[in-house]
Amino acid sequence: GDSVTQMEGPVTLSEEAFLTINCTYTATGYPSLFWYVQYPGEGLQLLLKATKADDKGSNKGFEATYRKETTSFHLEKGSVQVSDSAVYFCALRGNTGGFKTIFGAGTRLFVKA
Amino acid sequence: EAQVTQNPRYLITVTGKKLTVTCSQNMNHEYMSWYRQDPGLGLRQIYYSMNVEVTDKGDVPEGYKVSRKEKRNFPLILESPSPNQTSLYFCASSPSRVVADQPQHFGDGTRLSIL
Repeated sequence: GDSVTQMEGPVTLSEEAFLTINCTYTATGYPSLFWYVQYPGEGLQLLLKATKADDKGSNKGFEATYRKETTSFHLEKGSVQVSDSAVYFCALRGNTGGFKTIFGAGTRLFVKA
Repeated sequence: EAQVTQNPRYLITVTGKKLTVTCSQNMNHEYMSWYRQDPGLGLRQIYYSMNVEVTDKGDVPEGYKVSRKEKRNFPLILESPSPNQTSLYFCASSPSRVVADQPQHFGDGTRLSIL
């Protein structure tokens, strides 16, 4: 079945450092890919998405490119801030299986001032 | 304000005592879903509904029931809760039942502790 694998955390960075969180997937067909962010005590919020190969999703300085050849959707940000501290989830949603969203295990990011 | 509202936010209860977690959305969304979040496992789908009176099992449906009598509401029912159902639960919705590129909108979560 479809699955998402993302790097384990926690990831600890200093403010203004470069961030990469790796995400790879397996899926039949052509799923849409998402990054969600979860702040403490809150639900998940959409960060960015890409719906087809070579699409780049971007939001709030974060970027991720849908790479079909490597089945990857890595999240990047050039300069993180303390306010970016959160848990990040990579996810896919396909056209089968009731349009279920499959989530990775989540990566916790800590940013130090 | 567009939102998904879950109640209660926190609940501590005992094994075997039936409970219901309510979920309501005000966006006229067709698709609704319940997830549980456990450390190291991400979110796993419990049940989903593609429209009123249409529900189906997700990956971990055992011990749970749902109903979708109205478009806006999708309650999660634990008929006889057990300690292994202690978890953080999220309700989510998205506009259409047949479009994969739509993200889901999540409630703030319900933390259940079953003693």
